Amino acid sequence: GAGVSQTPSNKVTEKGKYVELRCDPISGHTALYWYRQSLGQGPEFLIYFQGTGAADDSGLPNDRFFAVRPEGSVSTLKIQRTERGDSAVYLCASSLAPGQGAGNGYTFGSGTRLTVV
Amino acid sequence: AQSVSQHNHHVILSEAASLELGCNYSYGGTVNLFWYVQYPGQHLQLLLKYFSGDPLVKGIKGFEAEFIKSKFSFNLRKPSVQWSDTAEYFCAVSDQTGANNLFFGTGTRLTVIP
Repeated sequence: GAGVSQTPSNKVTEKGKYVELRCDPISGHTALYWYRQSLGQGPEFLIYFQGTGAADDSGLPNDRFFAVRPEGSVSTLKIQRTERGDSAVYLCASSLAPGQGAGNGYTFGSGTRLTVV
Repeated sequence: AQSVSQHNHHVILSEAASLELGCNYSYGGTVNLFWYVQYPGQHLQLLLKYFSGDPLVKGIKGFEAEFIKSKFSFNLRKPSVQWSDTAEYFCAVSDQTGANNLFFGTGTRLTVIP
């Protein structure tokens, strides 16, 4: 597609449940990034994929969070045993290549708003 | 660790007023600097970026930003705002050595009154 697609756009889940958030990057973009934007804050880095592998997962807050990109295109962010503090907008971005530092040539998706009740 | 400060949380201007949004960063190395905009209901979009060269950077929609290395600042400016500039503006910085993180400020909400 023309842009980065994220589904669902909104997700409400109960505390303790498992959720999956999907990101479909721009075709041909090998680099994929997940960010989390809490209310009143800027986006915060979670994880970066180059191809199929997670090249940097230093931003994942704890082991309840996990992400995969098995075929080097679509990525799924998985959150186990959700907590109310996980409520945020989860953003995905893709780029052709990491390039000259992060942020070069990023295209962001519209995000998934996750609400844990 | 890098950090980005945007001191203005919410700015309200009338149309045709001039705009300056402050951005300061904390990092000792060589950085790339960005301003992103998020219009209501839309995704983050790049306004402009600075990697090297002329510290005065021109972006889309009449925006510009000036990198002042001695002040660790990258303020965003526009001489005359329009109602359509109403949006949230984020300053961001990354490390030129190849780190994968883009560090964002907390954002400044701009409201332009017609």
